[in-house]
Amino acid sequence: GENVEQHPSTLSVQEGDSAVIKCTYSDSASNYFPWYKQELGKRPQLIIDIRSNVGEKKDQRIAVTLNKTAKHFSLHITETQPEDSAVYFCAASSDKLIFGTGTRLQVFP
Amino acid sequence: DAGVIQSPRHEVTEMGQEVTLRCKPISGHNSLFWYRQTMMRGLELLIYFNNNVPIDDSGMPEDRFSAKMPNASFSTLKIQPSEPRDSAVYFCASSFQRGDTEAFFGQGTRLTVV
Repeated sequence: GENVEQHPSTLSVQEGDSAVIKCTYSDSASNYFPWYKQELGKRPQLIIDIRSNVGEKKDQRIAVTLNKTAKHFSLHITETQPEDSAVYFCAASSDKLIFGTGTRLQVFP
Repeated sequence: DAGVIQSPRHEVTEMGQEVTLRCKPISGHNSLFWYRQTMMRGLELLIYFNNNVPIDDSGMPEDRFSAKMPNASFSTLKIQPSEPRDSAVYFCASSFQRGDTEAFFGQGTRLTVV
């Protein structure tokens, strides 16, 4: 079955810096790669997703890249703000969503 | 739509008792997922349904866990008997299609087994 690895597990950055979170997956049939943000005590919510026919997608300060050959994908957050502090999960799916173990991002003012 | 609705929000029970968690998916969504979240193991997929049919229950940890989806608007996850190691946040999520569209999560049920 699908296995998704995510790193780093924790990431601390200064406000205004960039943050990068990386994931790898094992199932070559996976074709959908969403990223979720979970604030403390709340539910995970989708922030951006990418499909296997696209190599890169951007939405304001957030961008995702996908390398299907290497089976890895990344989340890039630019100009980080304190409200970006949360746990971020990557996921990969062919028919069921399998999540990575999460990255706790802290943005210091 | 009110989104995915889970009940109860919090459950505290004694070891050995039966626990039933409930989920109402978003109307029109065909797929429903049950996840368990712990600090150690993150978000684990327990089981998912498509068109009310269980497709993959390989994540269900033991026979003490069972899940049903009697109709398109209701699902339950039951633990019998419960154990302290079952303490976690259990999320239900639904999506329009099988795993390749956005999954919307409910608010979760925080289960504590003492």
